[in-house]
Amino acid sequence: EAGVAQSPRYKIIEKRQSVAFWCNPISGHATLYWYQQILGQGPKLLIQFQNNGVVDDSQLPKDRFSAERLKGVDSTLKIQPAKLEDSAVYLCASSLGLADTYEQYFGPGTRLTVT
Amino acid sequence: GENVEQHPSTLSVQEGDSAVIKCTYSDSASNYFPWYKQELGKRPQLIIDIRSNVGEKKDQRIAVTLNKTAKHFSLHITETQPEDSAVYFCAASLAGGSYIPTFGRGTSLIVHP
Repeated sequence: EAGVAQSPRYKIIEKRQSVAFWCNPISGHATLYWYQQILGQGPKLLIQFQNNGVVDDSQLPKDRFSAERLKGVDSTLKIQPAKLEDSAVYLCASSLGLADTYEQYFGPGTRLTVT
Repeated sequence: GENVEQHPSTLSVQEGDSAVIKCTYSDSASNYFPWYKQELGKRPQLIIDIRSNVGEKKDQRIAVTLNKTAKHFSLHITETQPEDSAVYFCAASLAGGSYIPTFGRGTSLIVHP
C-alpha cells in the first residue's frame, strides 16, 4: 500500500514569514497526527484529527499554528508568522483509528529551517 | 499529562553484543507502549509494542518488558548488527477511545562492526 505522503520535503524561510505543509494519509486511515520533531528530541504531538474533527490540539501554539483536515482526508499545517524556534522536522502520521488498533505510520517529514 | 523519560541518550556496543534501552512513564493509566526505530534521515517505524496486560513480548532479536508497578519498560536487542544502528524512541499512552502517545527523547544506538 502507498505510504503517508508529505510535501514539501524541505523548506527554508525567514522569520515572520508564513509556511504551509501538506499531508496525504494512507487511504482509509481515519486518524491523522501532526508532530514537531526538534533535532535530538522525540516527536511532540501538535494536533490529532479523527476524520475531520480535532481530537487533541492542546500542544498546538494556536497564536501562530493552524491545521485543518477538510473532508477527512488530506491535511495542511500552517505557521504564521514563523519564529526561529520553529525550525524542526514536521512529521505527519496516520492510523486506522479503529478500536484496539494503534499503529501509526509516519510520513517522510518536512524539514523546516527558519533563518 | 504523561511524561516519558528515556535512557541512555547514546548507546555504543560491539556487533553481537546486547543493547538495552529503558523508559519510565508517569501516568499509571497508560496502557500501550510502542517502540519506534528511526534511521538517519528517515521516518520513525514501529518495531514492537506491548500492552499493559502483558509483561514481556518478543519478536526475533528484539523484546520488550513492562513493569507496571514501577512504571518502566525496556527494549532489549540481542546479537546486535550494524543495521540496528539508529535512534530508538519509546512512547506511552492511554489507548482507548483515542490514542495520544507521548514520546521519549530517543536513544542513539551505534553498533560497531
